[in-house]
Amino acid sequence: DQQVKQNSPSLSVQEGRISILNCDYTNSMFDYFLWYKKYPAEGPTFLISISSIKDKNEDGRFTVFLNKSAKHLSLHIVPSQPGDSAVYFCAASDRGSTLGRLYFGRGTQLTVWP
Amino acid sequence: DGGITQSPKYLFRKEGQNVTLSCEQNLNHDAMYWYRQDPGQGLRLIYYSQIVNDFQKGDIAEGYSVSREKKESFPLTVTSAQKNPTAFYLCASILVSSGANVLTFGAGSRLTVL
Repeated sequence: DQQVKQNSPSLSVQEGRISILNCDYTNSMFDYFLWYKKYPAEGPTFLISISSIKDKNEDGRFTVFLNKSAKHLSLHIVPSQPGDSAVYFCAASDRGSTLGRLYFGRGTQLTVWP
Repeated sequence: DGGITQSPKYLFRKEGQNVTLSCEQNLNHDAMYWYRQDPGQGLRLIYYSQIVNDFQKGDIAEGYSVSREKKESFPLTVTSAQKNPTAFYLCASILVSSGANVLTFGAGSRLTVL
């Protein structure tokens, strides 16, 4: 059963515009959320994270928003650049679980076109 | 440069053969993990090890085996018992004392069963 869901397999955005990637989760025990970026034939690289005690975390062009009541988080990329084209994975961990035990969504392929 | 090295990058196997995927890290991380990625799927945890000579099964451990004889190394053996071994395999690690639940990934190994 998928506990972390990314319902949009792909997203296409023009360069300079905002990209919004969405993620939903079902486990109310999740208390830490991460976004990873992955290029083809490479391992995922950590992008940004947020703890459940916050509702927003910002790092440069990347902002993650968390809505605990809706069990929903989103990643905003502003402005989008062609180099942002990659697969983005949402991941979550719960407070009772082993360190490093993350639950991943299926990913969203972001394409940023000039 | 510190990082995680996975080898081989590409591997082909005939049905019924065991294969071992190598994972070496020079990050001085304590815990190491093996995740599997299938097309259109999120990453799923196979095995993990938090200290030398100790490891635990993840969600999809059947048909796999691991060892942790050294802190730096965590090889994964895909046995003939694994029914659908064709996948992209990712090794990851964490520095436990950091307290941050952020995995660092290697570049991955793609296994194809012929």
